[in-house]
Amino acid sequence: EADIYQTPRYLVIGTGKKITLECSQTMGHDKMYWYQQDPGMELHLIHYSYGVNSTEKGDLSSESTVSRIRTEHFPLTLESARPSHTSQYLCASSELGPQNTEAFFGQGTRLTVV
Amino acid sequence: GDSVTQMEGPVTLSEEAFLTINCTYTATGYPSLFWYVQYPGEGLQLLLKATKADDKGSNKGFEATYRKETTSFHLEKGSVQVSDSAVYFCASTGTASKLTFGTGTRLQVTL
Repeated sequence: EADIYQTPRYLVIGTGKKITLECSQTMGHDKMYWYQQDPGMELHLIHYSYGVNSTEKGDLSSESTVSRIRTEHFPLTLESARPSHTSQYLCASSELGPQNTEAFFGQGTRLTVV
Repeated sequence: GDSVTQMEGPVTLSEEAFLTINCTYTATGYPSLFWYVQYPGEGLQLLLKATKADDKGSNKGFEATYRKETTSFHLEKGSVQVSDSAVYFCASTGTASKLTFGTGTRLQVTL
């Protein structure tokens, strides 16, 4: 059973609001990721981190920002939500090891901006 | 850059039918290959993996063999069940150990 948690599971919020999606893992993993998932299922890497104070932009440009102040915590923030941000957001973590290391995923946050 | 291509869905099968979902990859070096499964309303779970050429990953009746000569990692199951209905993602890790996913294939199994 993966020990990685995302809150909230569902969020409906108005345009212009600031939001933070939480992601926490209790496995001591150094690497963490945020993916945005289309309604059509495709996953896009938007942010990742190799450890504390490390954050990198992913393959898909995103207006969101992330921080990594603690190993177990990797929150994602949108300063001003827009309807185009409506999507499913998946957080994941893995050990900082060889490339055969699997990633563990949270259950996701489904964000709807109205 | 690294990429993963998998067959488009949806794939609709009757229970006990044979399943194949094709996956091919492009990568520098020798990536590890994975199949993840996503059930409705959930995150992704690792289904199986293979880390070098000719390795076979298997789990829950699913199998996939790492074929370096054809750069493929096709997912197979001999007899699907309704409970296998989900979205299946092929993935590879290569450059910088970043996971690269395919677009996902939705499987629907009917009675």
